[in-house]
Amino acid sequence: AQSVAQPEDQVNVAEGNPLTVKCTYSVSGNPYLFWYVQYPNRGLQFLLKYITGDNLVKGSYGFEAEFNKSQTSFHLKKPSALVSDSALYFCAVRQPSNDYKLSFGAGTTVTVRA
Amino acid sequence: NAGVMQNPRHLVRRRGQEARLRCSPMKGHSHVYWYRQLPEEGLKFMVYLQKENIIDESGMPKERFSAEFPKEGPSILRIQQVVRGDSAAYFCASSPGGGPEAFFGQGTRLTVV
Repeated sequence: AQSVAQPEDQVNVAEGNPLTVKCTYSVSGNPYLFWYVQYPNRGLQFLLKYITGDNLVKGSYGFEAEFNKSQTSFHLKKPSALVSDSALYFCAVRQPSNDYKLSFGAGTTVTVRA
Repeated sequence: NAGVMQNPRHLVRRRGQEARLRCSPMKGHSHVYWYRQLPEEGLKFMVYLQKENIIDESGMPKERFSAEFPKEGPSILRIQQVVRGDSAAYFCASSPGGGPEAFFGQGTRLTVV
C-alpha cells in the first residue's frame, strides 16, 4: 500500500522568506511523486513531478522539490514566497508498477503574509 | 487543447434526489479517474474507467454510487438518493494511457441540503 504524510496542517511565512512544505511517502519500489496546488474554490493545479533522474525538480511559479530516497521525502520549496502563493498544497504519490491510483496527503495550508 | 472539463461546477441537491456529475477528458485521453475531497481532507480515489469499462471501483461506496464512461460522450458519476454526507468536491482526472501524470478538472462541488 502507498501513503503520503504532510506533517504540517498549516505553514505561515512572511513574504520574501523561504517557503518549505513537507511531504514524506511510503511506497513499494520507486515512486512517482507530485505536488498540486489548490486555490480557494478552484481545481487542482499541477506544480511539479518526480519520475526519475535528477533529485531536484523544478516546477511552475518558481517552486522546486527535492526527492530524497533515504529519507522518503519530497519537500516542496520556494526561495522567496509571495502573498499569491497562499493556497492549499497537496503532495501525491503513485506506484509506477501496475497501480494508477494517486494517494494524496491531507494537504498543507500555506499563508504568506505581506 | 482544452483541459479536463467538469460540469456543473456547483450542484445543490435535496436529500433523496439524484446527482449527476459530468467529466469530459482532455482530447486524446481515454482514461478517467474520479476522486472525492471531503471538507478538510485530501482527495480519495473513487473509480478508474476506460471507454466502456470500469477498471477499478474499489474506492466507490457500495450503494447509491455508480460511474460510466461510454463510447461517446462524457464520463458520468451518478449518486442516487443523496445524503448530507455526500456533500464534497468531486474531481475528475484524465490521462492518455498508463502514463504517470493525470490532469485534473476544476471539480464539482456538491451540496446536499
